[in-house]
Amino acid sequence: QVQLVESGGGLVKPGGSLRLSCAASGFSFSDYYMTWIRQAPGKGLEWVSHIGSSSTYTKYADSVKGRFTISRDNSKNSVYLQMNSLRAEDTAVYYCARDNVDRYGDYFDYWGQGTLVTVSS
Amino acid sequence: DIQVTQSPSSLSASVGDRVTITCRTSQSITSYLNWYQQKPGKAPNLLIYAASILQSGVPSRFSGSGSGTDFTLTISSLQPEDFATYYCQQSYTAPYPFGQGTKLQIK
Repeated sequence: QVQLVESGGGLVKPGGSLRLSCAASGFSFSDYYMTWIRQAPGKGLEWVSHIGSSSTYTKYADSVKGRFTISRDNSKNSVYLQMNSLRAEDTAVYYCARDNVDRYGDYFDYWGQGTLVTVSS
Repeated sequence: DIQVTQSPSSLSASVGDRVTITCRTSQSITSYLNWYQQKPGKAPNLLIYAASILQSGVPSRFSGSGSGTDFTLTISSLQPEDFATYYCQQSYTAPYPFGQGTKLQIK
């Protein structure tokens, strides 16, 4: 069965950095786009970034552009989110999701359990 | 960027009721609209993609419709497990914003 397991969250000071990881299993990882989505405490969902199956394509939300970098290692079935220059407003649960791209569009059909990132001094 | 507006933000209903949630986009996205359900403390779950296609395993009381800029999610007969927060999301072009969410509560 498809499984996505995020790790790497924690408490970091403003201006600091953190690298999130998402380990995938149960499907042919290299065939799929992958996406990061976040949810601030008590708030709605915010799409953050996605990456193509071979890493040649990436896209970011304006709120994280220039500070966050998405990457993947298909040999390790993993996707990463490097987060630099962190701000208090980046505090959220970060989810990775499988991004199913076909003629019906992009839709996130499997999600991890999420990892909490807290940015505070 | 395409904006997504979802309404209402909250809704009170009873078991057995029919409910409808609306999503509107700032420009036409043809049928590239998805719906998710989220329960407290859990990751979201895909319900419907491409405006009207039911994800495998999702009960048939859920349905979606619409195209262009106006979309609806309908639950034909509410069950106790349906009380949750629902989000729409456009996937016509990145970035892929979600709607603000609709919290469905028991009346």
